[in-house]
Amino acid sequence: GESVGLHLPTLSVQEGDNSIINCAYSNSASDYFIWYKQESGKGPQFIIDIRSNMDKRQGQRVTVLLNKTVKHLSLQIAATQPGDSAVYFCASAGGTSYGKLTFGQGTILTVHP
Amino acid sequence: EAGVAQSPRYKIIEKRQSVAFWCNPISGHATLYWYQQILGQGPKLLIQFQNNGVVDDSQLPKDRFSAERLKGVDSTLKIQPAKLEDSAVYLCASSFQGFGGELFFGEGSRLTVL
Repeated sequence: GESVGLHLPTLSVQEGDNSIINCAYSNSASDYFIWYKQESGKGPQFIIDIRSNMDKRQGQRVTVLLNKTVKHLSLQIAATQPGDSAVYFCASAGGTSYGKLTFGQGTILTVHP
Repeated sequence: EAGVAQSPRYKIIEKRQSVAFWCNPISGHATLYWYQQILGQGPKLLIQFQNNGVVDDSQLPKDRFSAERLKGVDSTLKIQPAKLEDSAVYLCASSFQGFGGELFFGEGSRLTVL
């Protein structure tokens, strides 16, 4: 079945550094990908999305890269701030599961002042 | 703009008891989702409504879980009887244009089954 997973469960960075969070997906039919941020005690919050006809998309301080060849996507956060500390999830949809997001396990990002 | 409202925030019950969670989506959002998030894992879709019709309930354990969305607005998720493995956060989300639109999540209802 489809699965979406993360390479690193935890990531610690210093304030001001750039952060990179990675995600692998297994379903080659997936064509829509989203990154969510979840702070403690809150629901996931949309960060950025990308469709399979793109390989890069930029937002405010965030960039998502998609490599369909190796079924990998990453989230880059520039100038990481303590407020970025949270759990980050990638999610995917498409193919026979279109309409249903499949979430990965999550990466805990800790930003030290 | 008011967000997705959920209640209760926390609930502790004993196994075999029943529990119900309530969700009020963002006004005008036709699509409503219930997700289950077990500690340390990503959310898993339980059921998706489009207005008051069910779009996907393939991962809903129908022997004990039920959900309804009367009048296409508020929704309730019920568990009866609860099992220990149902301990999780139950997240409600809504979106304006169905899948492909941004999902807005509520803060969740944390269930502990003893």
